[in-house]
Amino acid sequence: NAGVTQTPKFRVLKTGQSMTLLCAQDMNHEYMYWYRQDPGMGLRLIHYSVGEGTTAKGEVPDGYNVSRLKKQNFLLGLESAAPSQTSVYFCASRQANSPLHFGNGTRLTVT
Amino acid sequence: AQRVTQPEKLLSVFKGAPVELKCNYSYSGSPELFWYVQYSRQRLQLLLRHISRESIKGFTADLNKGETSFHLKKPFAQEEDSAMYYCALSPDSWGKLQFGAGTQVVVTP
Repeated sequence: NAGVTQTPKFRVLKTGQSMTLLCAQDMNHEYMYWYRQDPGMGLRLIHYSVGEGTTAKGEVPDGYNVSRLKKQNFLLGLESAAPSQTSVYFCASRQANSPLHFGNGTRLTVT
Repeated sequence: AQRVTQPEKLLSVFKGAPVELKCNYSYSGSPELFWYVQYSRQRLQLLLRHISRESIKGFTADLNKGETSFHLKKPFAQEEDSAMYYCALSPDSWGKLQFGAGTQVVVTP
């Protein structure tokens, strides 16, 4: 049982490049979330999904897009990366009334 | 809007000493409160949730609605308690957690 798996673990991008972060969960969870973690700011919610085919904006959605075409996957896209998007990105999933399960994180550097 | 405040960025304690991590929140309704922990090079994991009222790894946390606080306490810190601790609030059933900035705990022998 892998839980929540994030790929890649590390990535370096140049300003303006695009990339997609993949989050996969094998627990049949309905809800999935993308957070970014920055020093002194804790974790901030980027986007979330309450079920297959649904997405919604979180606290800091600008510059990101997401898709939930399959229940087990939640993709986070950066169309044109900016240095301000340098961060550690965490995916999480949960079932109703249950705690969040986090992935190991993706460390992204935008130069 | 809801807000979670962890006033201490870093807490350094000696092994065997008590440790208390402060968490204050602002929210007009009745939120769920949580403590998450992140050990070095590991993923975040749930430590406590206020509705379960249990003690995990010797830690306890009491929700004080009058003071809007959810402080985390442990009477005798251990070296393995060294980690980043996040207080979090969930305003609704969708689990959109609002996290505090985190407190880094360092336990020295």
